[in-house]
Amino acid sequence: DGGITQSPKYLFRKEGQNVTLSCEQNLNHDAMYWYRQDPGQGLRLIYYSQIVNDFQKGDIAEGYSVSREKKESFPLTVTSAQKNPTAFYLCASSRFVTESDEQYFGPGTRLTVT
Amino acid sequence: GEDVEQSLFLSVREGDSSVINCTYTDSSSTYLYWYKQEPGAGLQLLTYIFSNMDMKQDQRLTVLLNKKDKHLSLRIADTQTGDSAIYFCAETPNSGYSTLTFGKGTMLLVSP
Repeated sequence: DGGITQSPKYLFRKEGQNVTLSCEQNLNHDAMYWYRQDPGQGLRLIYYSQIVNDFQKGDIAEGYSVSREKKESFPLTVTSAQKNPTAFYLCASSRFVTESDEQYFGPGTRLTVT
Repeated sequence: GEDVEQSLFLSVREGDSSVINCTYTDSSSTYLYWYKQEPGAGLQLLTYIFSNMDMKQDQRLTVLLNKKDKHLSLRIADTQTGDSAIYFCAETPNSGYSTLTFGKGTMLLVSP
């Protein structure tokens, strides 16, 4: 089955710790994205990547970092510099970064930092 | 900047039609999307419409676009309890890049 996997589904961390969220896709998509969703809010773009070894900041990149060493993988690190890290994080991918390409979403990771 | 607005909540009875509305500000938007999110899950693309169209129908779903008023609506005919979810409107600005701008979502509650 082709799709996007995110793990784990739930993640708990203490304040001050960095944490890395996994996102893997086997759709052979070039583009990948990370969004953050807060209760009652839409999705906000954190980072996106058009191709391996390249990524761009989205609207709320501060306190986050990413890497794109492989086409299939786009891990997101939530650093201790992120002031309000508790949220639902969604990863997505599309064939290319063009306006007509459908984005496919993973099931999400709910991060709770206390 | 771009902004997408939706009403936050809609309640209907099973079998009725549901209409979810969305307004956007970027007149250069070329594609407008409707996504569905079930509790605790990712988003699923329901349908999309290109900006040179004013209507698109897909089984129980009808999308209407009024480009002059920058108003988009999603009509679900014969709404079922399984349609209960959050529905997001999203646009892509005409920048050539598929960085979607989402509304805050409309929670649709369908009661038996």
